[in-house]
Order: sequence, then C-alpha cells, then structure tokens
Amino acid sequence: DGGITQSPKYLFRKEGQNVTLSCEQNLNHDAMYWYRQDPGQGLRLIYYSQIVNDFQKGDIAEGYSVSREKKESFPLTVTSAQKNPTAFYLCASSMDSYSGANVLTFGAGSRLTVL
Amino acid sequence: DQQVKQNSPSLSVQEGRISILNCDYTNSMFDYFLWYKKYPAEGPTFLISISSIKDKNEDGRFTVFLNKSAKHLSLHIVPSQPGDSAVYFCAASLIQGAQKLVFGQGTRLTINP
Repeated sequence: DGGITQSPKYLFRKEGQNVTLSCEQNLNHDAMYWYRQDPGQGLRLIYYSQIVNDFQKGDIAEGYSVSREKKESFPLTVTSAQKNPTAFYLCASSMDSYSGANVLTFGAGSRLTVL
Repeated sequence: DQQVKQNSPSLSVQEGRISILNCDYTNSMFDYFLWYKKYPAEGPTFLISISSIKDKNEDGRFTVFLNKSAKHLSLHIVPSQPGDSAVYFCAASLIQGAQKLVFGQGTRLTINP
C-alpha cells in the first residue's frame, strides 16, 4: 500500500535536546511538507520541498531544519532553538507543488512532548 | 494574519440531519479550496475540493458551496452519520504555483445518535 510513514508516533524530549522526526513516502510524489498542529490554530507550514536537494521555509521555520537527500525521505529536526516545540507534527506529500489542484496526502503524525 | 478562518470551533448535530461547516477567507487570489477530515491521532484525509470557477461540487453525502463575492465556503453533510464525527479543516491555495495550502483552525463535528 502506498502512503506516508512517520516515526516515532510519540516522542519525549528534554529541553535543550535536538530531535529528528522521520517521514518516508512511497507514493513517488515530488513535493513533501511538514506542518505543525496546535490546539485552536489549525495546521501551520514549517518547511516544504518541491524537489530533491531543495527546500523552502514555510510560515514558522524558526527552530527547525530539514533535508531532502532522497525523493522518498524528508526528515525534520526540531532544534533546541525552537521555543515551544510541544505539538503534533504532520508530514505530507503531493505529486508536485507547481500547478494544478494540490491535494496533499498526510502521514499519521508524530506527537512531540518536551519535558 | 489568519487568511482562512473557521469561526466555529465545534458543532453538534443529530444523526440523520444536515451538518453545515463554514469557512471564510480573506485573500481574493485564492482559487482552489479543499476540505480535510481528521480523526484523533491520525493525519487529515482529503474529503472534497472546489475550484473558483464553480460554485458547487458534490460527492455523495458531501457538498461544498463557494460564494466568491462573500469569500465564504461551506461543507454540507447529509445525512450525517456517527462516523462523520471528526475535526474538519478547510484549506485554500492558488492553483498556479500552488506550493502550499493555507488551513483554517478546524471545526470539531460531533454527530449524536
């Protein structure tokens, strides 16, 4: 079955630690995205990548970093510079992000809690 | 600046009746709109979409209406079923160069038996 796999599902982190959330897709999609969900705020875009070895900042990129070395993979690192990292993180992909209806397919999410 | 707004955080509807979820947007350049449904601890799943050249799109029990002059869209679910209980997000984008979607805050729909 094609889809998006996010891991881990739950993650606890101490303040000052960097953590990396994994996102893998086997949909052969060109574009990948990271969103953050907080209660009452909907989904906010952190980073997106339209092609391998290229990525762009979204609306709330500060304190986060990404890489796109392979088409299938788009890991997100939450650094110690992120002031309020406790949230539900969602990875998504789409066929492309240049044209046409941009229907995103989402993973099941990763919940990060900072202790 | 919230470009896409869902002003009702929650909605409760009797099973079998119509559920109407509303969404407003401020950017008149948006020309493509989508609704996503999300269960707890899962990712959102695509439900239905509409482009700005239409004012209505129907898919089974789900119908989306777009009023461009009012910058308003709504999702109608009829008849509502218990499995429809979820959080619904509306989203908007530009079709040309649609690099990203802008999401509303979500509305939690509860269908009561």
